[in-house]
Amino acid sequence: GESVGLHLPTLSVQEGDNSIINCAYSNSASDYFIWYKQESGKGPQFIIDIRSNMDKRQGQRVTVLLNKTVKHLSLQIAATQPGDSAVYFCAENGSSNTGKLIFGQGTTLQVKP
Amino acid sequence: DTAVSQTPKYLVTQMGNDKSIKCEQNLGHDTMYWYKQDSKKFLKIMFSYNNKELIINETVPNRFSPKSPDKAHLNLHINSLELGDSAVYFCASSRSNTDTQYFGPGTRLTVL
Repeated sequence: GESVGLHLPTLSVQEGDNSIINCAYSNSASDYFIWYKQESGKGPQFIIDIRSNMDKRQGQRVTVLLNKTVKHLSLQIAATQPGDSAVYFCAENGSSNTGKLIFGQGTTLQVKP
Repeated sequence: DTAVSQTPKYLVTQMGNDKSIKCEQNLGHDTMYWYKQDSKKFLKIMFSYNNKELIINETVPNRFSPKSPDKAHLNLHINSLELGDSAVYFCASSRSNTDTQYFGPGTRLTVL
C-alpha cells in the first residue's frame, strides 16, 4: 500500500546547528514530493518541493534531497533557529496526478537555545 | 490579504447535530481540497474539487458532503456528527491539481 513515513518522531537540535529530517516513501511511482512546516495551532505551510527529475533543490536555508534508489527524502535546515520549531511533514503524490497528497506522520523539531 | 481562510476556527457541538465549515481562497486557484488531521497529527485528504467539479472523494462517510458554489469556495457539511469526527479540518487550494497546495488555518471540531 501507499505510505510515507518518517524515521524519528522528535528531533532536538541546538540553535545554530544544522537539522536533517528524514522521510521514507513506498510508492516508486511518486514523482512529486513536498515538505510542509506546521506550527502549533496553524495550518501546514509550504517549505519546498522537488520533482523526481531532480535529486536536490535548495531554498533559503533549506535543502531537499531525493534519493529515488532507496526511496528516501530529506530536509536539511541550515543554522536552525527557534522559529524553526514545528512539526515537519513530507508528502508525496503517489501514483496519481489528481492532486492527492499522501502525508507522512510528521517529525517534531525542537530547537534548544 | 489572507490567502486561504476558513470559518469558524473552533466549532464545539453535540453528537447528532449538523454543521458546516466554510472555506474561501483569494488566490485565483482552480483546485480546492479538504483534509482531516487527527489527534496524532496524521493528515489525510478527504475531497478535492477542480473548477467546481469533484475530483477526489476518499473513503469518507456519506455524512460528509462538500459543496463548491464557485471555484473560490469549498464548504464542508457534516450531518449527524459523531464523536469520531472530532479533529482539525484543513482546507487547501492549488493553481491546478498538480501544483503546490496552500493550506488554510484549520477548523478544530469538537463533538461532545
